[in-house]
Amino acid sequence: SQQGEEDPQALSIQEGENATMNCSYKTSINNLQWYRQNSGRGLVHLILIRSNEREKHSGRLRVTLDTSKKSSSLLITASRAADTASYFCATDASSYKLIFGSGTRLLVRP
Amino acid sequence: DAGVIQSPRHEVTEMGQEVTLRCKPISGHNSLFWYRQTMMRGLELLIYFNNNVPIDDSGMPEDRFSAKMPNASFSTLKIQPSEPRDSAVYFCASIAGGSDTQYFGPGTRLTVL
Repeated sequence: SQQGEEDPQALSIQEGENATMNCSYKTSINNLQWYRQNSGRGLVHLILIRSNEREKHSGRLRVTLDTSKKSSSLLITASRAADTASYFCATDASSYKLIFGSGTRLLVRP
Repeated sequence: DAGVIQSPRHEVTEMGQEVTLRCKPISGHNSLFWYRQTMMRGLELLIYFNNNVPIDDSGMPEDRFSAKMPNASFSTLKIQPSEPRDSAVYFCASIAGGSDTQYFGPGTRLTVL
């Protein structure tokens, strides 16, 4: 079974609004990463948060991690049409092996 | 930097044919991954190479799949014979030693008729 499960599966918002996506996982981790995938493209790394971190920021992105609940959230503030993509969380099952969730499809309407 | 390069970008073949997918990792990266992405199963790791040596091939579906990395700048994933259920997008990714960030190629969309 997949380690990370994103919620919601799909999200539609208006440009300028914030988008929040959640990820739950099952086993202990060293770090959790978020990736973006535009339609027909490969995945692009967005941000990594380590197990001893609770929150991390990168531009309009804010990631939180709650290891007690085995969950993470990705917040995109002031969304833009260009943010339309699928977003995946990935947890490290080992030193090299990432387990990807099923993804959240985000649609930002102009 | 050109990033991870994959070829072909699209491949349409008939059941039973041999298919070879190619990947050129980012120069200097010493680890390479092959993934398969489908709607039903999401993104699955097929095989992982470190310094050109296969370390973990537990995700390779069956004997019809094989992967090689003859040198640090080239890898192939071969399916022989191909079947319709192999239709998917196949991604290659590479990573530099000591890093946690994988860099993905654009993928090869494979359709087996």
